Amino acid sequence: KNQVEQSPQSLIILEGKNCTLQCNYTVSPFSNLRWYKQDTGRGPVSLTIMTFSENTKSNGRYTATLDADTKQSSLHITASQLSDSASYICVVSTGFQKLVFGTGTRLLVSP
Amino acid sequence: SQTIHQWPATLVQPVGSPLSLECTVEGTSNPNLYWYRQAAGRGLQLLFYSVGIGQISSEVPQNLSASRPQDRQFILSSKKLLLSDSGFYLCASQGGVSYNEQFFGPGTRLTVL
Repeated sequence: KNQVEQSPQSLIILEGKNCTLQCNYTVSPFSNLRWYKQDTGRGPVSLTIMTFSENTKSNGRYTATLDADTKQSSLHITASQLSDSASYICVVSTGFQKLVFGTGTRLLVSP
Repeated sequence: SQTIHQWPATLVQPVGSPLSLECTVEGTSNPNLYWYRQAAGRGLQLLFYSVGIGQISSEVPQNLSASRPQDRQFILSSKKLLLSDSGFYLCASQGGVSYNEQFFGPGTRLTVL
């Protein structure tokens, strides 16, 4: 069964600190892996997309890694800001117009 | 990049009433279009997707239906709403130059009472 699991479920960090969110997947076939940021009550916004051959991709203070062998990905946030408070969703595409969504990690950045 | 419009933003409807949610897309042509539902604390669930006008694929049996009357218009409907239809509905689009990326609309918060 295709699944995407994220950890932790929720996280509280102090403003300015770094954090890392984890994503493990069992999806086949694999096309690409995406990280989205979703503010409360809004639609998800794409942060990064990585294909099988890419093992790291950055978008400003966000850096995603992908290990296709172990089927793990991480999202690292550097020097967190209050505006980083949101849910972060890991999504794996099977390539057949189908996306498998994780349930997300809810991040709260505290002043 | 693509822009997805959804309306209404919020909706409160009684059980048994009809539903029509609309999604329109700008900035691309011939996109694949998707309807998702997101329940509180849960991941997004794909409801329908469409690869072209009049072409609808349903992912889960349910009380809802979808239609695509125009290339960049996607409509989610119900004849009689159930309490379990409450949730956050997201429309998404994929295709064009950014063929690999799926863009989401702002969502519609539906509450069925």
